[in-house]
Amino acid sequence: DVKVTQSSRYLVKRTGEKVFLECVQDMDHENMFWYRQDPGLGLRLIYFSYDVKMKEKGDIPEGYSVSREKKERFSLILESASTNQTSMYLCATQLRQGDSYEQYFGPGTRLTVT
Amino acid sequence: AQSVTQLDSQVPVFEEAPVELRCNYSSSVSVYLFWYVQYPNQGLQLLLKYLSGSTLVESINGFEAEFNKSQTSFHLRKPSVHISDTAEYFCAVSKRGNKLVFGAGTILRVKS
Repeated sequence: DVKVTQSSRYLVKRTGEKVFLECVQDMDHENMFWYRQDPGLGLRLIYFSYDVKMKEKGDIPEGYSVSREKKERFSLILESASTNQTSMYLCATQLRQGDSYEQYFGPGTRLTVT
Repeated sequence: AQSVTQLDSQVPVFEEAPVELRCNYSSSVSVYLFWYVQYPNQGLQLLLKYLSGSTLVESINGFEAEFNKSQTSFHLRKPSVHISDTAEYFCAVSKRGNKLVFGAGTILRVKS
C-alpha cells in the first residue's frame, strides 16, 4: 500500500525559528513535491524534486528551501519562520515514468507560527 | 500559464440529491485534468482523472466528470450524494502530467 508520512501533524513555532518539515515515502517514487494549502487559495506548489539532490522552485518558493539527500526523503525548511507561513503543508510523491500521473499525498502538517 | 477556477467555494446539498461541482481551466495546450478529494483531517486522494480517450470518466464511488474541450470545463457530478461524500474537492490541471495547478477548492456539505 502506498504510504507518504510527514513528521508532525501539528507544529507550533515562534517567529524567527528555523523549522524542518520532513516527508518520507516508501514507494520508490522519483518525484516529490511540497505544497501549502490555505483556505480559498487551494494548494500552491512551493518546491519539487525530480531526483536526489535535484530541486526546482515552484510558484511560491520565497522564504523556503528544500533538501533531498535520499530518494525517500524530502525536507522543507523555513529558514526564519514568519507568521505569514502559518498554513497546512502537504507533501506528495509521483512516479516519474508511466501513464498514471497520480500524486500521492501525505496527511499534512498544520504549522502555526506565533 | 495554466489556471483553474472552481466556481463555487461551498455547495450545500441534501442527502440523495444530485450535485455538480464546477471546474473551468485555461490553457493554450492540451492538458490532463484531475479531481482530488480531501476528507476532514486527511491528505488529498485522487478521485478521477482525464488523460485522453473517452471524455466521460468515472470513479469507483459514483462520481463522474466530463471533459469539455470547447468550454474548457471538467465538471464533477454525482446523481445521488451520501453523508460520507462531505469533503473538500479540488480540480487540478497539468500540462505534462507532473506539476499540478490546483483550483481553490469546493467544500461539499451533505445534509441529512
